[in-house]
Amino acid sequence: GAGVSQTPSNKVTEKGKYVELRCDPISGHTALYWYRQSLGQGPEFLIYFQGTGAADDSGLPNDRFFAVRPEGSVSTLKIQRTERGDSAVYLCASSSTSGGEGEQFFGPGTRLTVL
Amino acid sequence: GQQLNQSPQSMFIQEGEDVSMNCTSSSIFNTWLWYKQDPGEGPVLLIALYKAGELTSNGRLTAQFGITRKDSFLNISASIPSDVGIYFCFGTGRRALTFGSGTRLQVQP
Repeated sequence: GAGVSQTPSNKVTEKGKYVELRCDPISGHTALYWYRQSLGQGPEFLIYFQGTGAADDSGLPNDRFFAVRPEGSVSTLKIQRTERGDSAVYLCASSSTSGGEGEQFFGPGTRLTVL
Repeated sequence: GQQLNQSPQSMFIQEGEDVSMNCTSSSIFNTWLWYKQDPGEGPVLLIALYKAGELTSNGRLTAQFGITRKDSFLNISASIPSDVGIYFCFGTGRRALTFGSGTRLQVQP
């Protein structure tokens, strides 16, 4: 597709469950980013991939959060033992520029609600 | 981590008025980007700034990368109703990818 796509658009789960959120970046973009946006706030950085490897995962809040990008394209953000505080919009962005700088193009996000 | 202070937090203006918002930081950034976000959607890139002192325009939008590399502003001229939304500054630096807290703009027709 022409832009970044994310699935699902909405996810409702129960506390303690495991969830996976998917991101399809713009074709050819080597850099991929995950952010989390709480209501009324700006997005917060979680993790950045350059190719298949996580170049910077310093934003992951704890070890319940994990992300992969096995073939350097699609990425999956995985959250174990979800908590109510994990409820937020999870945004994915991609870029043709490496090094964590340059223009990033965002998907529509996945709204996660943990009951 | 690096923090961005974005102001104002919100603005309510009349159609046709000019708007200005800015971001400041105690730390240096290498790149400043400005995004607009509509409800239920992801941020959309408006302007990208790469050099200290750079002044860039995109239609009715003008943004500048502060000479100290610690600040940036965005101006919108002759506002129209579709300018309504939340505007975010975004600074990138050494191992830092930081959004401001946003400026909510409302435009009265």
